[in-house]
Amino acid sequence: GQQVMQIPQYQHVQEGEDFTTYCNSSTTLSNIQWYKQRPGGHPVFLIQLVKSGEVKKQKRLTFQFGEAKKNSSLHITATQTTDVGTYFCAGQLKFSGGYNKLIFGAGTRLAVHP
Amino acid sequence: DVKVTQSSRYLVKRTGEKVFLECVQDMDHENMFWYRQDPGLGLRLIYFSYDVKMKEKGDIPEGYSVSREKKERFSLILESASTNQTSMYLCASSLFSVRGKVLSTDTQYFGPGTRLTVL
Repeated sequence: GQQVMQIPQYQHVQEGEDFTTYCNSSTTLSNIQWYKQRPGGHPVFLIQLVKSGEVKKQKRLTFQFGEAKKNSSLHITATQTTDVGTYFCAGQLKFSGGYNKLIFGAGTRLAVHP
Repeated sequence: DVKVTQSSRYLVKRTGEKVFLECVQDMDHENMFWYRQDPGLGLRLIYFSYDVKMKEKGDIPEGYSVSREKKERFSLILESASTNQTSMYLCASSLFSVRGKVLSTDTQYFGPGTRLTVL
């Protein structure tokens, strides 16, 4: 079936270092969403990207959607301990009819050491 | 604020038992979803519903069924629990939107999850 691949599975950084997680789909996406799940918590929506080549920023977080709408990235500048958690991308596949489902990546677990 | 609640945070059941997981949302969302989350596999969609009494299979529906008798409530049923159904179960809801001829889901709001252990 359709998949959204996300790498790396796990990243361990020192506080103040940058962090990037990448998402790739073999098929064109209608849009892509990003979620963050804190340890012991549930996924919380961060942002949605819809347009080809779109770039959005939320403070130290930068989200990009590729020109072909098949890949996306989340970059965190100067990580803090509050950034700890698992980051999921979720792509909405472009169907000609029917129902658009969200396909979640496996997530990237970020550990930040002070 | 959207609130999605799940009936239990932790549940322990025995193999062969029938298990009911309940989810309630208070924002009048049309779409509701059940996922299971396992390490290294992310969130996998079990079933979803875009209207009362409507249900659609997700990617891993085997061994599960669902019920949506009221708009705010979406139940996941394990007909005969097995050990490989030990997992974290997450319910989510979202608004319903139509883009052209395609039904779409917008931002999903998740409940706190139910960690189910089947012995």
